[in-house]
Amino acid sequence: GAGVSQSPRYKVAKRGQDVALRCDPISGHVSLFWYQQALGQGPEFLTYFQNEAQLDKSGLPSDRFFAERPEGSVSTLKIQRTQQEDSAVYLCASSLVGQGGFYEQYFGPGTRLTVT
Amino acid sequence: SQQGEEDPQALSIQEGENATMNCSYKTSINNLQWYRQNSGRGLVHLILIRSNEREKHSGRLRVTLDTSKKSSSLLITASRAADTASYFCAAGGGGSQGNLIFGKGTKLSVKP
Repeated sequence: GAGVSQSPRYKVAKRGQDVALRCDPISGHVSLFWYQQALGQGPEFLTYFQNEAQLDKSGLPSDRFFAERPEGSVSTLKIQRTQQEDSAVYLCASSLVGQGGFYEQYFGPGTRLTVT
Repeated sequence: SQQGEEDPQALSIQEGENATMNCSYKTSINNLQWYRQNSGRGLVHLILIRSNEREKHSGRLRVTLDTSKKSSSLLITASRAADTASYFCAAGGGGSQGNLIFGKGTKLSVKP
């Protein structure tokens, strides 16, 4: 079956622009996660949804970052007024059941964001 | 940063040799997971070991977990060139319910 998909795969934004990154999780997966991965580092947690409820947004680095999953399937990560330090790969993952980090997660290919 | 540590940061071996990667973490956990990432790609789940388990096998993979030392190891036996990738451990089910806390990764290179 289809895995987790993300679009766009690559995004170049000028400093100050707003960007929207999309994630299509595996159909029927309850949990959805966003991570940020800087070059040469491991992914860092941003936020977590259980169905449409955002249960944890403790990893969002600033109020410029906003995520939503209005119908409990597709999710969008929005970054307002992008800055150079936002340049990273943004990974989306989904998991069949709830309870966040208790089960294996299935990752998408990521969106590489470059802010110039 | 909340990230744990992996050791070594980079490992280069010949095909057929075994590769051992170590991971230390800081939080209490429900489980410890290992993922593989090929260059420019997403992460692929390899194996999950729960906090009440000490050792787990899956094919050529062997994982150990020592919760008293907050450490885990991943052994890949009879390595192949296709095993070349970065390997990450991730602590699951700790303080924040949604959080997988990843280490910085070990970059494994298997030479044919």
